[in-house]
Amino acid sequence: DAKTTQPTSMDCAEGRAANLPCNHSTISGNEYVYWYRQIHSQGPQYIIHGLKNNETNEMASLIITEDRKSSTLILPHATLRDTAVYYCIVYITSNFGNEKLTFGTGTRLTIIP
Amino acid sequence: DAGVTQSPTHLIKTRGQQVTLRCSPISGHKSVSWYQQVLGQGPQFIFQYYEKEERGRGNFPDRFSARQFPNYSSELNVNALLLGDSALYLCASSLRGGGASPLHFGNGTRLTVT
Repeated sequence: DAKTTQPTSMDCAEGRAANLPCNHSTISGNEYVYWYRQIHSQGPQYIIHGLKNNETNEMASLIITEDRKSSTLILPHATLRDTAVYYCIVYITSNFGNEKLTFGTGTRLTIIP
Repeated sequence: DAGVTQSPTHLIKTRGQQVTLRCSPISGHKSVSWYQQVLGQGPQFIFQYYEKEERGRGNFPDRFSARQFPNYSSELNVNALLLGDSALYLCASSLRGGGASPLHFGNGTRLTVT
């Protein structure tokens, strides 16, 4: 699986959009970009994933550059409950096969009141 | 619907002992994975089972073993515990493995080895 690079930590004011970058310059054509977050003392929570196109769901938006070498997770209106460690993972998917996720150290996002 | 449930939530063991951790996947999910998370680091992959067969194994010693039951629940066993095995052990389930559907994690079992 391709390696990802994320900033160690970020702050964002409550109510503002939080933009979390991720570099994955060695991503291959069939690897998806996944985002998970982990709030203190809980298991990781799935946020969103995408292959080429930008994606949006009720939690966040995922913007993937045209060359797919980087992406940005956007939390449109950050709240204090969004304070967590955010993991960007690139991953080859296949039905019924191995689903090993390689987590890095992630970005610690702190929402400031 | 209930999420992934793990038991126990906390556990204290002594070096050299053996431990069994349990996981119940989300109803309908057939794939279960186990991860170890040491303080300050991201989760590390230990095992994945799909339809009761091992589909993946991480870089962990043979002291670690797992199995999946006909009802898709799973157990992780660790023998001859070392201090370094102290960690949060996470279980995750998905519909059909392979990453085609997202993993859903439980809140883990916190294992402390003294």
